Amino acid sequence: NAGVTQTPKFQVLKTGQSMTLQCAQDMNHEYMSWYRQDPGMGLRLIHYSVGAGITDQGEVPNGYNVSRSTTEDFPLRLLSAAPSQTSVYFCASTHRLAGYNEQFFGPGTRLTVL
Amino acid sequence: AQSVTQLGSHVSVSEGALVLLRCNYSSSVPPYLFWYVQYPNQGLQLLLKYTTGATLVKGINGFEAEFKKSETSFHLTKPSAHMSDAAEYFCAVSGGGSNYKLTFGKGTLLTVNP
Repeated sequence: NAGVTQTPKFQVLKTGQSMTLQCAQDMNHEYMSWYRQDPGMGLRLIHYSVGAGITDQGEVPNGYNVSRSTTEDFPLRLLSAAPSQTSVYFCASTHRLAGYNEQFFGPGTRLTVL
Repeated sequence: AQSVTQLGSHVSVSEGALVLLRCNYSSSVPPYLFWYVQYPNQGLQLLLKYTTGATLVKGINGFEAEFKKSETSFHLTKPSAHMSDAAEYFCAVSGGGSNYKLTFGKGTLLTVNP
């Protein structure tokens, strides 16, 4: 198993550009989520999904879109990037039969918006 | 609603000294509690978790934590710090059951001095 994979590892955007951060897992996990990590702020939940076709907002959803067409993939879209979206983004997944909600994290994508 | 407070954004210890990282939580339901570690430029790795049962839980790398309901605390300890323990540590809480959403504290950076 590759676990949770994220691409790209690094990305630099200009203000107003759009892009998609990719997240995939090969563990057949129903639940997937996106977090952003900023210095001194910990990790904050952006969006999450409890299964294909079902998504919901987390704590900081503004400026981000998600969709879940398959169990494996959960892309995060920035439609018009802003400097405030400069951050490290982590994708995570878990299975309802997994050990007590233990979530598995990807390696992260470091995004800089100029 | 749930929240996590980590006391001390930066803790510095000498090699061989006791490590104590503090975490207090708030949850309207019986919580599931987690400690994650993040080494520089890496993703998050689960150190240990409390769900139900024994309130003293042991994790990887010699760390342990004790769930104290009366104090709403879940402090992380290690008897003897090693240089390799230098990292950022995050406490997190979820509502358990089908409530997979993790709420993180802001993190504590552990420095180990030779």
